[in-house]
This record gives sequence, C-alpha cells and structure tokens, in this order.
Amino acid sequence: DTEVTQTPKHLVMGMTNKKSLKCEQHMGHRAMYWYKQKAKKPPELMFVYSYEKLSINESVPSRFSPECPNSSLLNLHLHALQPEDSALYLCASSQFRDRFETQYFGPGTRLLVL
Amino acid sequence: GNSVTQMEGPVTLSEEAFLTINCTYTATGYPSLFWYVQYPGEGLQLLLKATKADDKGSNKGFEATYRKETTSFHLEKGSVQVSDSAVYFCALKVGQGAQKLVFGQGTRLTINP
Repeated sequence: DTEVTQTPKHLVMGMTNKKSLKCEQHMGHRAMYWYKQKAKKPPELMFVYSYEKLSINESVPSRFSPECPNSSLLNLHLHALQPEDSALYLCASSQFRDRFETQYFGPGTRLLVL
Repeated sequence: GNSVTQMEGPVTLSEEAFLTINCTYTATGYPSLFWYVQYPGEGLQLLLKATKADDKGSNKGFEATYRKETTSFHLEKGSVQVSDSAVYFCALKVGQGAQKLVFGQGTRLTINP
C-alpha cells in the first residue's frame, strides 16, 4: 500500500482566516514533505520533515507553519494568506533510507484564498 | 545546479500512436530519475524510476532508460490510449535520504480517439 491521504480535498478561506491542512501515511515512512503547485507548473518544495524534525525549509513565508506531531501525520497551518497562495498543496512521504528512495504523493488539497 | 528539461507541450496524438516525451537533466553527483503522471484534478503518481546508468524503468506499457552519456531519460510508449491523457513530469533526486525532487516543467499529453 502506497497511500498518502490529505484532508480537506478543497478549502476556501479568507485572508484573515486560520486553517490547517492534514496529511497522513501509514507506510512507516520517516520523511514527509509539503509541496505547492500552481496551475500548469511543476510542484515546488516547501518543507521536509525527517524523523519528525524539520530538515528543509525552502524559505517559505511564516504565514505557512508546518507541524509533524508524529511519524504518520503532517500538518500545514495557514494564517493570513494572500490570494497568490491559492494553489494545490501536495503532501508526500518516503522511507528516508537511501538515495534510491521514492516519494509517494497524496491527492492534494486545492486551496483558494479570497 | 540540478535541473531537468522536458520537451514543450502540449502533445496531441491519436490513439495507438507511438509516444516519446524527451527529458534531459543536469546534476551534480549521481541522480535517481523519475517519471510522475498527474491526471486532471489529482495528485502525482509515480509512473516509473531508474536509479543508475543503463537501468530501464517500466510500468503500464511506459518505459524509460537512464542514459548517462546523453544525460537523458526519455519516456516512451508503443501504443497510447485515451486514458493516458495527463501531465507527465520528469524529475531527479540527488543525495541520500529526504531530498527535494527537481521537476521538469511538465508535458501535457492529450490522446484523441
């Protein structure tokens, strides 16, 4: 089973709202990722957690706040977003084993900021 | 730096046609190479991968061979179906463990019946 689940599937929020995206995997993977994908563009890495510790932050604005409560869960807390933050947010996970490993993606949360 | 260049799309073919989507890369070190597919309104699915020179990845009739001498990883399929219509991303990863995937720009493929 190579399933990564994400909730919600769609989210509409105002610029003053606070919301959270959730990602879950039960494959025993120890690395989890957040990517942002704008329309007709490839995904861009935002954050990486390795063994529940933040290991990569690609200079993401502080209005995006990641959290990894345990090895199966990854959250992305959103606050005071801008309309240009509207995008598909993809979560991925991998084993964190060696350079041959594969990242498995979830279906994404489509976010619209009004 | 590390980068991936894919052929510009969109690509439109008739059902049962032969497909090639070109992908070349620049990388420091020895990358692993991937093809991901994204169907409309969905996330990315791994299509195939190769981890060393001359490896051939294959899945669902798609194939790609890791060519170190030409730094390429072209995707091919002998006979496409309407259900293959999607966006295809070539990607590479360099280094141990959790590293970012470097994606090409994506190629939108449409197959007409």
